[in-house]
Amino acid sequence: DAGITQSPRHKVTETGTPVTLRCHQTENHRYMYWYRQDPGHGLRLIHYSYGVKDTDKGEVSDGYSVSRSKTEDFLLTLESATSSQTSVYFCAISESVVRSTQYFGPGTRLLVL
Amino acid sequence: AQKVTQAQTEISVVEKEDVTLDCVYETRDTTYYLFWYKQPPSGELVFLIRRNSFDEQNEISGRYSWNFQKSTSSFNFTITASQVVDSAVYFCALSEHQETSGSRLTFGEGTQLTVNP
Repeated sequence: DAGITQSPRHKVTETGTPVTLRCHQTENHRYMYWYRQDPGHGLRLIHYSYGVKDTDKGEVSDGYSVSRSKTEDFLLTLESATSSQTSVYFCAISESVVRSTQYFGPGTRLLVL
Repeated sequence: AQKVTQAQTEISVVEKEDVTLDCVYETRDTTYYLFWYKQPPSGELVFLIRRNSFDEQNEISGRYSWNFQKSTSSFNFTITASQVVDSAVYFCALSEHQETSGSRLTFGEGTQLTVNP
């Protein structure tokens, strides 16, 4: 199994508070991704990173920001959490464009009240 | 824009039946990858297979087989002699192939497979 951890695994928070989710990898892979999973939508890309300090937006990036200050960590921040951001968040990593299979972390279940 | 359609939202079969999960995709890229992932009730996403756009050979892995047909933009997944442990949500996904974005995946909505004893 790819060495990917996510923290926290579960979180309950209140509307309007900032929340940061962490993804940590031990594979030294270049690419990292954040997805959210909601019923009826499959998984949708929020943000991704193609190197340290190199990030870009995905399909559903509004209300989210990311940072990657070192290869192994990719942080997702909900600047002011809303109930619509209640979801399961998955981090994924891939090695290269050629070796492009994404491996996923265990997920973080976030409930915004 | 890329799109993946899994028209079967839910499928229910009895153990030992064969079952095929359909996946149809849309892309303008000439180079792309297709994937299947399994999400069991425990919630993790398990990689099953990757197929690139230049390789239309069908693949078999134990009870699993995949049929890739570019002419119909389909990448279907068959489980032979299904077992209760195959019960899961199965996702088909399509990736772009760019240096800066790596392999951004577009997922279908998933098919919930229930295998009853």
